[in-house]
Amino acid sequence: DAGVTQSPTHLIKTRGQQVTLRCSPKSGHDTVSWYQQALGQGPQFIFQYYEEEERQRGNFPDRFSGHQFPNYSSELNVNALLLGDSALYLCASSLIDSYEQYFGPGTRLTVT
Amino acid sequence: LAKTTQPISMDSYEGQEVNITCSHNNIATNDYITWYQQFPSQGPRFIIQGYKTKVTNEVASLFIPADRKSSTLSLPRVSLSDTAVYYCLVGDLSGNTPLVFGKGTRLSVIA
Repeated sequence: DAGVTQSPTHLIKTRGQQVTLRCSPKSGHDTVSWYQQALGQGPQFIFQYYEEEERQRGNFPDRFSGHQFPNYSSELNVNALLLGDSALYLCASSLIDSYEQYFGPGTRLTVT
Repeated sequence: LAKTTQPISMDSYEGQEVNITCSHNNIATNDYITWYQQFPSQGPRFIIQGYKTKVTNEVASLFIPADRKSSTLSLPRVSLSDTAVYYCLVGDLSGNTPLVFGKGTRLSVIA
């Protein structure tokens, strides 16, 4: 049973560009959450998707958007990249209304 | 959302028991306490969760006093592989509130 998978593993982009990160949830899970983790900090909640709808959102600008597909996989899109967007982006899956989340290995995004 | 406070870092020798205390003075009646572990360049991993008194699993124990304003994660006989960042989180189990991570406690296990 595969756990949460994310792609790509690493990514280097230039300021102003756009990026799309992908996540496949753990088998049987229907909810996907995205987190941003800067170096030396704890993960910060970006948003959560359930039934292809954004269910909750953290304190992130509209440049951060997402999507959930019928198979529960999800994408995180970031437009107009800033140097400060450099971070580890984590995807976590769970069953709806469950506090226990399973995290993927993350995508390391570097913006130059 | 109840805020948590943990020590920034701790050091321990292999084979010792490690206790990491988390303060959560504003914990709500419906809130549970959950601990996650994170190794470098990996996502956090669920360790243990509890509401009151004591919870034990194959990895750790969680002690919660009656007032629930703090909790202690206990790791028995740590090994080098337990070197990681440990996060204490507080929230209800509805999933209606997102996980709020602080900076965690960086545990270094020394041979």
